[in-house]
Amino acid sequence: EDQVTQSPEALRLQEGESSSLNCSYTVSGLRGLFWYRQDPGKGPEFLFTLYSAGEEKEKERLKATLTKKESFLHITAPKPEDSATYLCAVNSDYKLSFGAGTTVTVRA
Amino acid sequence: GAGVSQSPRYKVTKRGQDVALRCDPISGHVSLYWYRQALGQGPEFLTYFNYEAQQDKSGLPNDRFSAERPEGSISTLTIQRTEQRDSAMYRCASSLRDRGYEQYFGPGTRLTVT
Repeated sequence: EDQVTQSPEALRLQEGESSSLNCSYTVSGLRGLFWYRQDPGKGPEFLFTLYSAGEEKEKERLKATLTKKESFLHITAPKPEDSATYLCAVNSDYKLSFGAGTTVTVRA
Repeated sequence: GAGVSQSPRYKVTKRGQDVALRCDPISGHVSLYWYRQALGQGPEFLTYFNYEAQQDKSGLPNDRFSAERPEGSISTLTIQRTEQRDSAMYRCASSLRDRGYEQYFGPGTRLTVT
């Protein structure tokens, strides 16, 4: 069974203070690792897909990286609008198996 | 373009009643998924369709839960004889294809069983 563990559970950052979120996974045949952003009361919003170790994707202040056992989401110089819960999920067949998420709060 | 839509957004029902939750996927998306999300957790898989065929229903909690997608587009998740433990956020997602493709989520239906 696919398993995803995210850490930390919560992260409080000062505006401009860069940090990283971790997603550790075990999966039988990775078909994709996905990062989503979820704002309170809304559905998860797709950010990135990573398919193989060594791959990196960037979008604005976010950068996702992938190794054979984990993925990192780096937030560079965050702004208050980056406050959200970030979910990691793996896909080995068709369904997504999610972690519990990391809730990021960025203070101005 | 239009994203995934779900209706109703909120549903309050009494224990023992049947409820039907609707999902309208992104046009052209072959695969449609139902998830359930508890507070503070990621979505948990319930069932999925390719076109009109239900490919996997292993995540449905029990036989009171059923889903259909008769024409390969709109899907309905039905819960019969609702119980309080069924209260949750139900989310629908769609993707262009199944394996390895990103899934786009709708806003969800918040179900409360009183």
